This record gives sequence, structure tokens and C-alpha cells, in this order.
Amino acid sequence: GAVVSQHPSRVICKSGTSVKIECRSLDFQATTMFWYRQFPKQSLMLMATSNEGSKATYEQGVEKDKFLINHASLTLSTLTVTSAHPEDSSFYICSVEGHSNSNYGYTFGSGTRLTVV
Amino acid sequence: ILNVEQSPQSLHVQEGDSTNFTCSFPSSNFYALHWYRWETAKSPEALFVMTLNGDEKKKGRISATLNTKEGYSYLYIKGSQPEDSATYLCAATNTDKLIFGTGTRLQVFP
Repeated sequence: GAVVSQHPSRVICKSGTSVKIECRSLDFQATTMFWYRQFPKQSLMLMATSNEGSKATYEQGVEKDKFLINHASLTLSTLTVTSAHPEDSSFYICSVEGHSNSNYGYTFGSGTRLTVV
Repeated sequence: ILNVEQSPQSLHVQEGDSTNFTCSFPSSNFYALHWYRWETAKSPEALFVMTLNGDEKKKGRISATLNTKEGYSYLYIKGSQPEDSATYLCAATNTDKLIFGTGTRLQVFP
């Protein structure tokens, strides 16, 4: 199956700064990657679908100017949280669809815990 | 919009006990149901993807069933071991988006 590497695993940043999170598909060319976030005691919520070579598709309520997604290659998607504020503190995780078809499920990165102070 | 619910929220069992938990989802416009096992500080690991009503899948001591007409899936663990301790997530999809439940956190005590 696909192997997905996400970096960093944990980041603490000051309010007003920007943070970039990388999601790499190590052995699989991913035209589509998905970005989720999870607030405490809540479920993983899809934020956006990252499409290689084109604009990302954002879910309702997710600000595209605040959460910048770049998917410039088939193996790398980045999520940049711009002008981060304490309410952006959350767990962010990416995924790619499994090989061949969805019967393999989705492969996830290990997530990034963002704390904005 | 899919609303996926899981119960119980957490579960503590003794090593050797068998256990099961539930995932419920709207039965209309259903496409697929996924189960994931998520250990702390690791990536969620895909266990099963099921699409057909009455489907039953097995992986070692873990099995799952699917009822698309009434909108639920059960995950069973036979003879629980401490290494089974994890959060078990289910996710339903009616298109290409996964809608997750909040998970069942399983703790198996030796």
C-alpha cells in the first residue's frame, strides 16, 4: 500500500506567524490528497481536497486564504496555516487514496499537532 | 450530509475478552464504509472497506459486518490483546469524501 510521510509531527508557533505542514506520498503518485483537522473530542473533519496542478477544493466554512494548499507535484502537498491564531490550534492530518481503488482504503500521514500561543 | 456515530465512546476490557462496537450512518446514498485502527502517535491503519449489504470481512481476530439497509456496521475483536488497544474509527462515504465518526477508544488490560 501507499506510504505517507507528514512533517512536522508537532509545532508550536506564535500568534500571527505562518506554519507549513508537508505531506509526502513516498511510493505512490497521488494526484489527490486530503487534509483533515481534528479538534479535541471531535471527529476528523475534511478541510480540503488537494489536486495536483490545480486549485484545491475547500469544504464549507474553511477559509481558503487562511489555509493555503499547494500540490505542485505528484508526491507532495503542503498546507500553510497563515497568520495563525490560538483557535487554529488543532491536529492536522493528510491522506491519499489507496492503490488502484478505494477498496484499499485511504493511507494517512501521522498527523501534525499545531499549538498557537 | 452524512452523520456518522460510533458507540461506545470508550471501552475497557480484560485481556482475552471479546468485544464489539458500533458505527451507524444514514442508509440513504450510501457508498462505502471504512474501518480504521489508530494507535497513539501513529497513522490510522485501514482495516476494512465494505460496500455491500450483508458484507462480512475478517482480518485475524478482527471482523466487521455491514447492514446498509438499516445503516450500521459492527466491529468485533475476538480474544482481545493489549496490543489491540487503540482508537477504532469508522468512516462512511457517499461520494469520494470520508465522513468520520468520533471513534471508540479501546483499552485492553493484561
